[in-house]
Amino acid sequence: DAGVTQSPTHLIKTRGQQVTLRCSPKSGHDTVSWYQQALGQGPQFIFQYYEEEERQRGNFPDRFSGHQFPNYSSELNVNALWLGDSALYLCASSLRRDLISYEQYFGPGTRLTVT
Amino acid sequence: GQQVMQIPQYQHVQEGEDFTTYCNSSTTLSNIQWYKQRPGGHPVFLIQLVKSGEVKKQKRLTFQFGEAKKNSSLHITATQTTDVGTYFCAGRNVFGSGNTGKLIFGQGTTLQVKP
Repeated sequence: DAGVTQSPTHLIKTRGQQVTLRCSPKSGHDTVSWYQQALGQGPQFIFQYYEEEERQRGNFPDRFSGHQFPNYSSELNVNALWLGDSALYLCASSLRRDLISYEQYFGPGTRLTVT
Repeated sequence: GQQVMQIPQYQHVQEGEDFTTYCNSSTTLSNIQWYKQRPGGHPVFLIQLVKSGEVKKQKRLTFQFGEAKKNSSLHITATQTTDVGTYFCAGRNVFGSGNTGKLIFGQGTTLQVKP
C-alpha cells in the first residue's frame, strides 16, 4: 500500500521564478491538502482539493495555486517566488468519509530554497 | 482568525520522567488531532479527539479534549529516547455543511529526552 509521495525532495530556485510541486495521495484517498512549514514552526494550511476543486484556502496570496487531477494527484504552483517562500512544503491526503473527522497522512515533503 | 497555541515550546526531560504539552484554541473546535514529527521527518498522525471531555490512551500516551472543546493535552508517562520529536496539535473549526473545516496547527512542543 503506497503512502503519500511527493516530488521533488529538494529544490533550489531564484527570486521571481516559478515552481511546481507534485503529490500523489495514499492509495484510496481522494482529498489532498497542502501545507507550508517554515523552520521551527507548525505546518500552515495553504489549500485543500477534493473532486478537482479547491475547497478550502488558508491565508496565502494568489501566487499560490493548485490543481487536482482525476487520479487524485495534485500540484502546487508558486509564482514570483520570494525569499520568504523558502520552507518545507507538505502534502497530506485523506479520505472524505464524512465532513468532520478524518486523519491525514503526510508525505515526506519538498524542501524549497529560494535564493 | 482562529489561533491554536501550544506550550511549552521546548521541554528537556530525563529519561523516565513524565512530559505534558498543552494546546489552546481561540475558538471552539469540532475535533483536534495530534501529530508527531521526528527531526528531519514529516508529521505522523497520532490520534483524533472529537467528543467533549474525551480521553484516549495509546500505551504511555494519554490525550485529553477539554469540556469546552477549546483545549487539549498530551501526556507521556515515563519518557523514552524514542519519544524525541516535536508534538503538534491541530484543531478543526466547527463548520457548516458542505465544508471540511481548515486544520490549524499549533507551533509545536519539541521534546528532548536525556538518556
